[in-house]
Amino acid sequence: NAGVMQNPRHLVRRRGQEARLRCSPMKGHSHVYWYRQLPEEGLKFMVYLQKENIIDESGMPKERFSAEFPKEGPSILRIQQVVRGDSAAYFCASSNDRGGHYGYTFGSGTRLTVV
Amino acid sequence: ILNVEQSPQSLHVQEGDSTNFTCSFPSSNFYALHWYRWETAKSPEALFVMTLNGDEKKKGRISATLNTKEGYSYLYIKGSQPEDSATYLCAPRASGGYQKVTFGTGTKLQVIP
Repeated sequence: NAGVMQNPRHLVRRRGQEARLRCSPMKGHSHVYWYRQLPEEGLKFMVYLQKENIIDESGMPKERFSAEFPKEGPSILRIQQVVRGDSAAYFCASSNDRGGHYGYTFGSGTRLTVV
Repeated sequence: ILNVEQSPQSLHVQEGDSTNFTCSFPSSNFYALHWYRWETAKSPEALFVMTLNGDEKKKGRISATLNTKEGYSYLYIKGSQPEDSATYLCAPRASGGYQKVTFGTGTKLQVIP
């Protein structure tokens, strides 16, 4: 049981480049949640997806950020034209129920550094 | 979005000491509360899911209680060990269909050998 897999673990991008973060949920889980942890801050909700659908994107910045969870393959969090302020740890979690009422399983995170 | 407060923000205790910390949340429309343990450089790990007023959960030396009427939960660690050093997050859930999870900022515990 591989749990939630995130890759890459570390990602360095220059300002203006694109960052793609991948998350494969735990086997049997069809609900994926993305959270961001800025330096010295807690986990902030970004987006909740179920296969092929965005359920809640109220935490996503309006520009440059997008997320998808296709029928096949991992969930992708995409950040276009990255800026220094995007440097953070991005965590993905999954659950087997809508909204994760019974708890989430988290991945190890992707630490994005924008230089 | 729920207003979640955890206190203290950080805590240093000696090995062997027992300790506890608090999670406060709005008592109206309560549905469930999750506790997570988050070690540095690792991912948050679920500890407890609590739903009923008066609930008490235990996992080894760690236990938690829940008071939904007044909107708080306590996490207790008995006989703290260095491996208990972590940030402990709580995440209350409101009722009413889908409600996104709001995490508290956590209590960072350091156990000094």
